[in-house]
Amino acid sequence: DIQMTQSPSTLSASVGDRVTITCRASQSISTWLAWYQQKPGKAPNLLIYRASTLHNGVPSRFSGSGSGTEFTLTISSLQPDDFATYYCLQYNSYSGTFGQGTKVAI
Amino acid sequence: EVQLVESGGGLVKPGGSLRLSCAASGFKFTSFSMNWVRQAPGKGLEWVSSVSFSNNYKYYADSVRGRFTISRDNANNPLFLQMNSLRADDTAVYYCVRAGDGYVFDVWGQGTLVIVSS
Repeated sequence: DIQMTQSPSTLSASVGDRVTITCRASQSISTWLAWYQQKPGKAPNLLIYRASTLHNGVPSRFSGSGSGTEFTLTISSLQPDDFATYYCLQYNSYSGTFGQGTKVAI
Repeated sequence: EVQLVESGGGLVKPGGSLRLSCAASGFKFTSFSMNWVRQAPGKGLEWVSSVSFSNNYKYYADSVRGRFTISRDNANNPLFLQMNSLRADDTAVYYCVRAGDGYVFDVWGQGTLVIVSS
């Protein structure tokens, strides 16, 4: 089974900061990686898929990069609405594996 | 509007059973594989199970294999998760999730809470 290791688990930042979250796969997953934002009591929202493709309606301050085993989510200038928990997901035609999550806090 | 709505959650005793349902609208249900994903209170996300668009292929996480059964009614569109032999560590919010283009988990329901407790 593919394992996903996400870091850091918690990140303290301020409005306007550039924020980077990393996800590492235990084996190559090409670019079959997505990023989600989740706020308390809500379902996750898709931000990025295929490692770097921005989902419809997602602000351009979010970007993703990487392939193989190492991936990053970058928020270029953190906004008040961005304080949330972020998850990476390795997905394929039959299953998925999530990273442990990164809480972005003030 | 593309939408998924789960139902069927509740309080159940250890060893008991529960069946979750998910109603889809706003898209052609029969064209997409579907998933169940759960989240224990205060914890991260865990993929539980998936079913192909044809209902021919079904996959399970090790933690639920042999106890949970995923199915779909393509004639009437619901997705189901039959959960048997429930344990305390099955307590979670269960999300119904569409596998969109390239199988990305793109549309999520609002979730239904399952509590396993005596």
